[in-house]
Amino acid sequence: DSGVTQTPKHLITATGQRVTLRCSPRSGDLSVYWYQQSLDQGLQFLIQYYNGEERAKGNILERFSAQQFPDLHSELNLSSLELGDSALYFCASSVGQPNQPQHFGDGTRLSIL
Amino acid sequence: DAKTTQPNSMESNEEEPVHLPCNHSTISGTDYIHWYRQLPSQGPEYVIHGLTSNVNNRMASLAIAEDRKSSTLILHRATLRDAAVYYCILSIAGGSNYKLTFGKGTLLTVNP
Repeated sequence: DSGVTQTPKHLITATGQRVTLRCSPRSGDLSVYWYQQSLDQGLQFLIQYYNGEERAKGNILERFSAQQFPDLHSELNLSSLELGDSALYFCASSVGQPNQPQHFGDGTRLSIL
Repeated sequence: DAKTTQPNSMESNEEEPVHLPCNHSTISGTDYIHWYRQLPSQGPEYVIHGLTSNVNNRMASLAIAEDRKSSTLILHRATLRDAAVYYCILSIAGGSNYKLTFGKGTLLTVNP
Protein backbone atom coordinates (compact mmCIF):
# COMPACT_ATOMS: atom_id res chain seq x y z
CA ASP A 1 0.00 0.00 0.00
CA SER A 2 1.61 3.23 -1.22
CA GLY A 3 -0.60 5.47 0.90
CA VAL A 4 -1.88 7.29 -2.20
CA THR A 5 -5.62 6.93 -2.74
CA GLN A 6 -7.28 7.39 -6.09
CA THR A 7 -11.00 7.39 -6.76
CA PRO A 8 -12.86 6.08 -8.59
CA LYS A 9 -11.02 2.89 -9.63
CA HIS A 10 -13.03 2.59 -12.81
CA LEU A 11 -14.97 5.12 -14.82
CA ILE A 12 -17.01 4.46 -17.93
CA THR A 13 -18.48 7.37 -19.82
CA ALA A 14 -19.27 8.59 -23.32
CA THR A 15 -17.57 10.91 -25.77
CA GLY A 16 -18.12 14.58 -25.10
CA GLN A 17 -18.61 14.10 -21.38
CA ARG A 18 -16.62 15.52 -18.46
CA VAL A 19 -15.16 13.57 -15.54
CA THR A 20 -13.20 14.32 -12.39
CA LEU A 21 -10.55 12.05 -10.98
CA ARG A 22 -9.53 12.45 -7.37
CA CYS A 23 -6.25 11.80 -5.57
CA SER A 24 -5.33 11.91 -1.90
CA PRO A 25 -1.56 11.99 -1.40
CA ARG A 26 0.40 10.18 1.27
CA SER A 27 0.34 11.86 4.64
CA GLY A 28 3.07 14.50 4.74
CA ASP A 29 3.59 14.70 0.99
CA LEU A 30 3.23 18.16 -0.49
CA SER A 31 3.67 17.38 -4.17
CA VAL A 32 1.19 15.63 -6.43
CA TYR A 33 1.85 14.39 -9.96
CA TRP A 34 -0.57 13.12 -12.59
CA TYR A 35 0.43 10.59 -15.25
CA GLN A 36 -1.47 9.00 -18.11
CA GLN A 37 -0.76 5.44 -19.26
CA SER A 38 -2.12 4.27 -22.59
CA LEU A 39 -1.14 1.26 -24.68
CA ASP A 40 0.39 3.31 -27.48
CA GLN A 41 1.99 6.16 -25.50
CA GLY A 42 3.16 4.42 -22.35
CA LEU A 43 3.39 6.35 -19.08
CA GLN A 44 3.38 10.09 -19.68
CA PHE A 45 3.71 12.92 -17.19
CA LEU A 46 0.80 15.35 -17.27
CA ILE A 47 1.18 17.91 -14.49
CA GLN A 48 2.71 18.53 -11.06
CA TYR A 49 1.47 20.54 -8.10
CA TYR A 50 3.38 21.51 -5.00
CA ASN A 51 1.52 22.78 -1.94
CA GLY A 52 -1.34 24.09 -4.02
CA GLU A 53 0.65 25.65 -6.82
CA GLU A 54 1.27 24.32 -10.31
CA ARG A 55 4.96 23.49 -10.71
CA ALA A 56 5.35 21.73 -14.05
CA LYS A 57 3.32 20.80 -17.08
CA GLY A 58 3.94 17.91 -19.40
CA ASN A 59 1.88 16.54 -22.25
CA ILE A 60 -1.43 17.71 -20.85
CA LEU A 61 -4.17 18.59 -23.30
CA GLU A 62 -6.01 21.91 -23.04
CA ARG A 63 -9.20 19.92 -22.40
CA PHE A 64 -7.61 18.65 -19.19
CA SER A 65 -7.05 20.67 -16.04
CA ALA A 66 -6.03 19.98 -12.49
CA GLN A 67 -5.85 21.61 -9.12
CA GLN A 68 -4.53 20.92 -5.65
CA PHE A 69 -6.65 21.99 -2.73
CA PRO A 70 -5.60 23.37 0.69
CA ASP A 71 -5.92 19.89 2.22
CA LEU A 72 -3.45 18.77 -0.50
CA HIS A 73 -5.79 16.43 -2.32
CA SER A 74 -5.84 16.91 -6.06
CA GLU A 75 -8.38 16.58 -8.83
CA LEU A 76 -7.82 16.01 -12.53
CA ASN A 77 -10.66 17.25 -14.72
CA LEU A 78 -11.07 15.82 -18.19
CA SER A 79 -13.61 17.44 -20.50
CA SER A 80 -14.95 16.98 -24.03
CA LEU A 81 -13.80 13.41 -23.77
CA GLU A 82 -12.66 11.56 -26.87
CA LEU A 83 -12.16 7.86 -27.49
CA GLY A 84 -8.39 8.39 -27.34
CA ASP A 85 -8.63 9.58 -23.75
CA SER A 86 -9.30 6.03 -22.63
CA ALA A 87 -6.34 5.19 -20.42
CA LEU A 88 -5.12 4.57 -16.91
CA TYR A 89 -4.57 7.77 -14.96
CA PHE A 90 -2.12 7.60 -12.09
CA CYS A 91 -1.54 10.01 -9.32
CA ALA A 92 1.75 10.06 -7.43
CA SER A 93 2.92 12.04 -4.44
CA SER A 94 6.24 12.95 -2.92
CA VAL A 95 7.61 15.24 -0.27
CA GLY A 96 8.52 17.55 -3.13
CA GLN A 97 12.24 17.74 -2.52
CA PRO A 98 14.74 16.92 -5.28
CA ASN A 99 15.16 13.27 -6.12
CA GLN A 100 12.82 11.91 -3.50
CA PRO A 101 10.75 8.88 -4.50
CA GLN A 102 7.32 9.29 -5.96
CA HIS A 103 4.64 7.02 -4.56
CA PHE A 104 1.92 5.99 -6.97
CA GLY A 105 -1.70 5.15 -6.45
CA ASP A 106 -3.38 2.21 -8.15
CA GLY A 107 -4.85 4.44 -10.82
CA THR A 108 -8.23 5.21 -12.31
CA ARG A 109 -9.14 3.27 -15.44
CA LEU A 110 -11.13 5.54 -17.75
CA SER A 111 -13.07 3.96 -20.57
CA ILE A 112 -14.76 6.13 -23.18
CA LEU A 113 -17.52 4.46 -25.14
CA ASP B 1 16.34 15.08 -21.69
CA ALA B 2 18.99 12.42 -21.22
CA LYS B 3 17.67 9.04 -22.37
CA THR B 4 18.02 5.52 -21.10
CA THR B 5 18.23 2.26 -23.03
CA GLN B 6 17.01 -1.02 -21.56
CA PRO B 7 16.45 -4.47 -23.02
CA ASN B 8 12.82 -5.07 -23.91
CA SER B 9 12.61 -8.26 -21.90
CA MET B 10 14.57 -10.58 -19.63
CA GLU B 11 13.89 -13.92 -18.07
CA SER B 12 15.03 -15.35 -14.76
CA ASN B 13 14.44 -18.33 -12.54
CA GLU B 14 13.00 -18.10 -9.08
CA GLU B 15 15.53 -17.69 -6.26
CA GLU B 16 18.32 -16.75 -8.68
CA PRO B 17 19.89 -13.28 -8.89
CA VAL B 18 18.77 -10.95 -11.65
CA HIS B 19 20.86 -8.18 -13.19
CA LEU B 20 18.84 -5.61 -15.12
CA PRO B 21 21.05 -3.32 -17.22
CA CYS B 22 20.48 0.29 -18.22
CA ASN B 23 22.55 2.49 -20.49
CA HIS B 24 22.48 6.25 -20.11
CA SER B 25 25.47 7.53 -22.03
CA THR B 26 24.24 11.15 -22.14
CA ILE B 27 23.68 11.44 -18.39
CA SER B 28 24.63 14.80 -16.90
CA GLY B 29 26.54 15.31 -13.69
CA THR B 30 23.46 16.21 -11.66
CA ASP B 31 21.13 13.47 -12.93
CA TYR B 32 20.09 10.85 -10.43
CA ILE B 33 19.35 7.31 -11.61
CA HIS B 34 16.01 5.99 -10.47
CA TRP B 35 14.44 2.56 -10.83
CA TYR B 36 10.73 1.94 -10.62
CA ARG B 37 8.77 -1.19 -11.38
CA GLN B 38 5.20 -1.80 -12.35
CA LEU B 39 3.49 -5.02 -11.44
CA PRO B 40 0.48 -6.11 -13.46
CA SER B 41 -2.61 -4.01 -12.78
CA GLN B 42 -0.79 -1.73 -10.33
CA GLY B 43 0.79 1.70 -10.33
CA PRO B 44 4.56 2.09 -10.59
CA GLU B 45 6.50 1.33 -7.43
CA TYR B 46 9.74 3.01 -6.39
CA VAL B 47 12.64 0.55 -6.14
CA ILE B 48 15.88 2.46 -5.62
CA HIS B 49 17.86 5.51 -6.74
CA GLY B 50 21.42 6.76 -6.65
CA LEU B 51 23.85 9.36 -7.95
CA THR B 52 27.40 8.00 -8.04
CA SER B 53 27.87 5.36 -5.38
CA ASN B 54 26.33 1.91 -5.32
CA VAL B 55 23.16 1.76 -3.23
CA ASN B 56 21.45 -1.02 -1.32
CA ASN B 57 17.99 -1.22 0.19
CA ARG B 58 15.64 -3.97 1.27
CA MET B 59 14.35 -4.45 -2.26
CA ALA B 60 17.45 -4.34 -4.44
CA SER B 61 20.94 -3.04 -5.11
CA LEU B 62 21.97 -0.43 -7.64
CA ALA B 63 25.41 -0.67 -9.18
CA ILE B 64 26.54 2.47 -11.01
CA ALA B 65 29.46 2.42 -13.42
CA GLU B 66 32.38 4.64 -12.61
CA ASP B 67 31.73 6.84 -15.66
CA ARG B 68 27.97 6.81 -14.81
CA LYS B 69 27.07 5.89 -18.37
CA SER B 70 25.41 2.70 -17.28
CA SER B 71 23.89 1.11 -14.21
CA THR B 72 22.55 -2.26 -13.13
CA LEU B 73 19.64 -3.07 -10.89
CA ILE B 74 20.31 -6.24 -8.94
CA LEU B 75 17.58 -8.38 -7.43
CA HIS B 76 19.48 -10.78 -5.21
CA ARG B 77 16.91 -13.60 -5.19
CA ALA B 78 14.08 -13.27 -7.66
CA THR B 79 10.63 -14.30 -6.58
CA LEU B 80 7.49 -14.69 -8.65
CA ARG B 81 6.31 -11.40 -7.18
CA ASP B 82 9.25 -9.64 -8.87
CA ALA B 83 7.75 -10.27 -12.32
CA ALA B 84 7.09 -6.75 -13.56
CA VAL B 85 8.16 -4.04 -15.98
CA TYR B 86 11.29 -2.32 -14.64
CA TYR B 87 11.95 1.27 -15.60
CA CYS B 88 15.32 2.99 -15.43
CA ILE B 89 14.80 6.76 -15.28
CA LEU B 90 17.07 9.77 -15.04
CA SER B 91 15.61 12.44 -12.83
CA ILE B 92 15.27 15.88 -14.30
CA ALA B 93 16.10 17.93 -11.28
CA GLY B 94 16.30 21.36 -12.79
CA GLY B 95 14.51 23.93 -10.73
CA SER B 96 11.50 22.49 -8.97
CA ASN B 97 10.37 20.13 -11.70
CA TYR B 98 10.83 16.54 -10.65
CA LYS B 99 8.82 14.77 -13.27
CA LEU B 100 9.67 11.21 -14.21
CA THR B 101 10.06 10.38 -17.88
CA PHE B 102 9.23 6.71 -18.35
CA GLY B 103 10.53 4.73 -21.29
CA LYS B 104 9.35 1.27 -22.33
CA GLY B 105 11.25 -0.50 -19.57
CA THR B 106 12.29 -4.14 -19.29
CA LEU B 107 9.65 -6.82 -18.86
CA LEU B 108 11.04 -9.31 -16.35
CA THR B 109 9.61 -12.81 -16.41
CA VAL B 110 10.39 -15.04 -13.43
CA ASN B 111 10.08 -18.78 -13.97
CA PRO B 112 9.14 -21.04 -11.06
